[in-house]
Amino acid sequence: DIQMTQTPSSMPASLGERVTISCRASQGISNYLNWYQQKPDGTIKPLIYYTSNLQSGVPSRFSGSGSGTDYSLTISSLEPEDFAMYYCQQYDSSPNTFGAGTKLELK
Amino acid sequence: EVKLQQSGDELVRPGASVKMSCKASGYTFTDYAMHWVKQSPGQGLEWIGTIIPLIDTTSYNQKFKGKATLTADKSSNTAYMELSRLTSEDSAVYYCARVYTTDYYYYFDYWGQGVMVTVSS
Repeated sequence: DIQMTQTPSSMPASLGERVTISCRASQGISNYLNWYQQKPDGTIKPLIYYTSNLQSGVPSRFSGSGSGTDYSLTISSLEPEDFAMYYCQQYDSSPNTFGAGTKLELK
Repeated sequence: EVKLQQSGDELVRPGASVKMSCKASGYTFTDYAMHWVKQSPGQGLEWIGTIIPLIDTTSYNQKFKGKATLTADKSSNTAYMELSRLTSEDSAVYYCARVYTTDYYYYFDYWGQGVMVTVSS
């Protein structure tokens, strides 16, 4: 199985700050990489699909980039509702696998 | 509006089985595969498997073969997952999720609210 290493595991940040979360795959995944957000109540929604495509309804402050084994999610200016868990997911090979998550916390 | 409504939380005894449901609405049930994902306490997400309701075809993560059984009822637009021979390792929140897929895209665009399964005597 492809291992997805997400860093950092937690990140204290302030409102308005620009933050970047990284995800490294154990082998190349050809941009087959998604990002999800999980709120404290357990609700999960997609943010970015196929590395850099913004899901409908997701604010433009979210963006994704990367290639090969290294990918990132950037939030350009943190809003209160962005403090949550974030997960990357690869679907280059089965089983699709997720990173361990990054907890974005209010500093 | 697409919605995946999962059944309620479960408290089950070790060695028993549990069957949970995921009722889909707001779209044609047979047009999309349904996936199931496990989230252990304080842990990340693990893909369990998928079912294509149109043809009742399933595919499982090798790790969950023999543990999870996926079924679907087209008449009620409901997907089911049964977990057998439960142990404390199965205590987790289980999500159903619809997949959106094209040539390059494959992502879970709608998720259920999750079912918490607690295995305890």
